[in-house]
Amino acid sequence: GAGVSQSPRYKVAKRGQDVALRCDPISGHVSLFWYQQALGQGPEFLTYFQNEAQLDKSGLPSDRFFAERPEGSVSTLKIQRTQQEDSAVYLCASSSLSGGLRSGANVLTFGAGSRLTVL
Amino acid sequence: GQQLNQSPQSMFIQEGEDVSMNCTSSSIFNTWLWYKQDPGEGPVLLIALYKAGELTSNGRLTAQFGITRKDSFLNISASIPSDVGIYFCAGPGTQGGSEKLVFGKGMKLTVNP
Repeated sequence: GAGVSQSPRYKVAKRGQDVALRCDPISGHVSLFWYQQALGQGPEFLTYFQNEAQLDKSGLPSDRFFAERPEGSVSTLKIQRTQQEDSAVYLCASSSLSGGLRSGANVLTFGAGSRLTVL
Repeated sequence: GQQLNQSPQSMFIQEGEDVSMNCTSSSIFNTWLWYKQDPGEGPVLLIALYKAGELTSNGRLTAQFGITRKDSFLNISASIPSDVGIYFCAGPGTQGGSEKLVFGKGMKLTVNP
């Protein structure tokens, strides 16, 4: 597609529920990133894929968070047993560069995000 | 971990005024990026800086990469209502590789017509 598409745009979950957030990156983009943006804060890195390989998951806040990109295109961020502190906007971004910022500006194209509210 | 400190946190200006914002880092960066985020949207890249001392313009936007490599500023001249939004500085994370970006907390700009 023309841009990064995320779904759902809004999700309300009861505490303890599992949620799955989907990201459709720009077609052909090698790199895919997930970020978490709390209210009034900047995005914070969660995890990074190059094709289907998850090369960095250092930002995932707990083992309740899991991300996958099995065929190197669409990615899913899953949060198990959601807690109130998980409430945030989850942003997905993709890039055509495989070397990240080491090969120049990694021009990330962000999706509009999925806003998760945990009650 | 790395931290980016943006200031000011918010600004209220009249249409036509100039505005400046800056960002400082606790560590040296080799790339500085400035993004803008509109409500309900993801951040969009405005300007990228790659060299210490570099001054780059994009229309009414001008950004500079500080000589110490620990700071950057963004200036918007002759502001218009569509400049409203949140502006973020960002740079490469040094932990776990440089693929990820570290963002500041943002500067919320309001432009009164």
